[in-house]
Amino acid sequence: ETGVTQSPTHLIKTRGQQVTLRCSSQSGHNTVSWYQQALGQGPQFIFQYYREEENGRGNFPPRFSGLQFPNYSSELNVNALELDDSALYLCASTGAPGTPFYEQYFGPGTRLTVT
Amino acid sequence: KQEVTQIPAALSVPEGENLVLNCSFTDSAIYNLQWFRQDPGKGLTSLLLIQSSQREQTSGRLNASLDKSSGRSTLYIAASQPGDSATYLCAVGIQGAQKLVFGQGTRLTINP
Repeated sequence: ETGVTQSPTHLIKTRGQQVTLRCSSQSGHNTVSWYQQALGQGPQFIFQYYREEENGRGNFPPRFSGLQFPNYSSELNVNALELDDSALYLCASTGAPGTPFYEQYFGPGTRLTVT
Repeated sequence: KQEVTQIPAALSVPEGENLVLNCSFTDSAIYNLQWFRQDPGKGLTSLLLIQSSQREQTSGRLNASLDKSSGRSTLYIAASQPGDSATYLCAVGIQGAQKLVFGQGTRLTINP
């Protein structure tokens, strides 16, 4: 069984640029969620994708957008980067929403630094 | 709005001690509660998942309890080891468990 993988591991961008982060879900999982974790804080929910559709969104502006592909992998896109976007971005996968054991499995994260 | 609080923010104990980490949440309408471990700069490792209908879960030296009515969960670690040093996060599943709301974590240090 393959776990959740994310790429790249680290990324440095300049304010105003755009970035794309990638996530491959765990084998057998069709739901992917993205979280932002600032230094010293708990992760904050960005959004979730289920069957290639957005299935819930947290309190993040529209410049945070995502995609899910037929193989259930996902991308997080952030436009017009701001210094406060510097964080660890975590991807989590799980079985379909509402399944009895809705345990979320997290990837290793992508560390984004905006200068 | 659901809020999750973890106390203490940091804890340092000698090796071998049993310890309890606390998590409280403001809204009892949760789908489940999950405890995670996070090593510095790394992702989250799921430790235990408690469904809303359950009272506790056990895995090895770890035991997690859930009291929905009081909005509390505890993570009990028996016979602590230096390898247990990490940040421990609790998260409640809401909105059909499509969303996890996290506490800020407890940074645990086990001293040899």
